[in-house]
Amino acid sequence: SSELTQDPAVSVALGQTVRITCQGDSLRSYYASWYQQKPGQAPVLVIYGKNNRPSGIPDRFSGSSSGNTASLTITGAQAEDEADYYCNSRDSSGNHLGVFGGGTKLTVL
Amino acid sequence: QVQLQESGPGLVKPSGTLSLTCAVSGGSISSSNWWSWVRQPPGKGLEWIGEIYHSGSTNYNPSLKSRVTISVDKSKNQFSLKLSSVTAADTAVYYCARGLDHYYDSSGYYVDGGYYMDVWGKGTTVTVSS
Repeated sequence: SSELTQDPAVSVALGQTVRITCQGDSLRSYYASWYQQKPGQAPVLVIYGKNNRPSGIPDRFSGSSSGNTASLTITGAQAEDEADYYCNSRDSSGNHLGVFGGGTKLTVL
Repeated sequence: QVQLQESGPGLVKPSGTLSLTCAVSGGSISSSNWWSWVRQPPGKGLEWIGEIYHSGSTNYNPSLKSRVTISVDKSKNQFSLKLSSVTAADTAVYYCARGLDHYYDSSGYYVDGGYYMDVWGKGTTVTVSS
């Protein structure tokens, strides 16, 4: 079982805004990072830290956090954003371990 | 920029040992990063396996800890994964990645507590079967 909980599936209409959430006790202490994964490809980092985007990631991707919940928001979702999204952080044990959420399948309608 | 490339056998027999190597190019393995392994069974999500710092300090997923060894070879600028006593449940795509626990914000200030993996290898498929 994962210490980070994500909804298995979310859908959004083309051009609309969607929020993908990740819950876990460790998120009270650590920022979540977010990864996009398309079929047959390696994960790609899209958000890290408080709300940072690596070079090349569109600014329609943003991150936020409140309490034990981190969120990835896509403002104006595009067809190419259809993918699996995973959150990641250190775990809550204090032993400096990594943990992923179960992933959210985003469908763009 | 840093690139990672996994290599190793694509087929391992049950009860055997899975051995993979991740070659680091475009940067030094002695930099202040955690060198990590992540796997993904067919049709399933990502699982964090473990990580190593260039000093040799390691952290492992408790569910795999008894079977996992991650090591670093500075002379070859690469790090490795060994997973013993494998079963079909270890069949997966295995990724190596560079992990960090900090970043610099837009003002240039060091920010701690932001764990992320910014560079990934393309992944290698390992099947456990006789």
